[in-house]
Amino acid sequence: GESVGLHLPTLSVQEGDNSIINCAYSNSASDYFIWYKQESGKGPQFIIDIRSNMDKRQGQRVTVLLNKTVKHLSLQIAATQPGDSAVYFCAVRYNFNKFYFGSGTKLNVKP
Amino acid sequence: DTAVSQTPKYLVTQMGNDKSIKCEQNLGHDTMYWYKQDSKKFLKIMFSYNNKELIINETVPNRFSPKSPDKAHLNLHINSLELGDSAVYFCASSQDFPPANYGYTFGSGTRLTVV
Repeated sequence: GESVGLHLPTLSVQEGDNSIINCAYSNSASDYFIWYKQESGKGPQFIIDIRSNMDKRQGQRVTVLLNKTVKHLSLQIAATQPGDSAVYFCAVRYNFNKFYFGSGTKLNVKP
Repeated sequence: DTAVSQTPKYLVTQMGNDKSIKCEQNLGHDTMYWYKQDSKKFLKIMFSYNNKELIINETVPNRFSPKSPDKAHLNLHINSLELGDSAVYFCASSQDFPPANYGYTFGSGTRLTVV
């Protein structure tokens, strides 16, 4: 199977700084990875994804890095804003049809 | 214009009761899911339906029964509610199965509290 863990349950950053949220997964056969953002009282929302044939993908202010050698995934948020405060999950697809979610990292942005 | 909507948003009920949560998606997606999020924020899949057919049924007590009258709706009925059923339940949909591009679109959740 697959198990997914996030390195820190809570991350506090100053507004304007860059944030890095990390995720580790266990199975090298996992092939598709997604980062979700969950704001209070809402469902998770898609941020960015990456497939196992890539090691980096960039979006607007966000970058996902995939290191398959150590089975590690990270989400970088540039110039973090108060609106970025939320819980961030990585989701890892294994065995073609199953996604496994990490427990989430809560990002607190201090003004 | 809500993509995945579920009702109710909050549900407080006594042990032993039977309750239902409704979900509808207007995205034209073929696959719908129910996820359970516990107090530690872990998201775990419960069921998945593709074009009204059950395709994933994780180890979930028989007291939980999903029903899909059409591919835009997936309701969750829970019999004989127990304290341990307290959680946030999310409905989700995806264009493909397994989810390929963009993964899931989630509803805003139903917070179920069993007292």
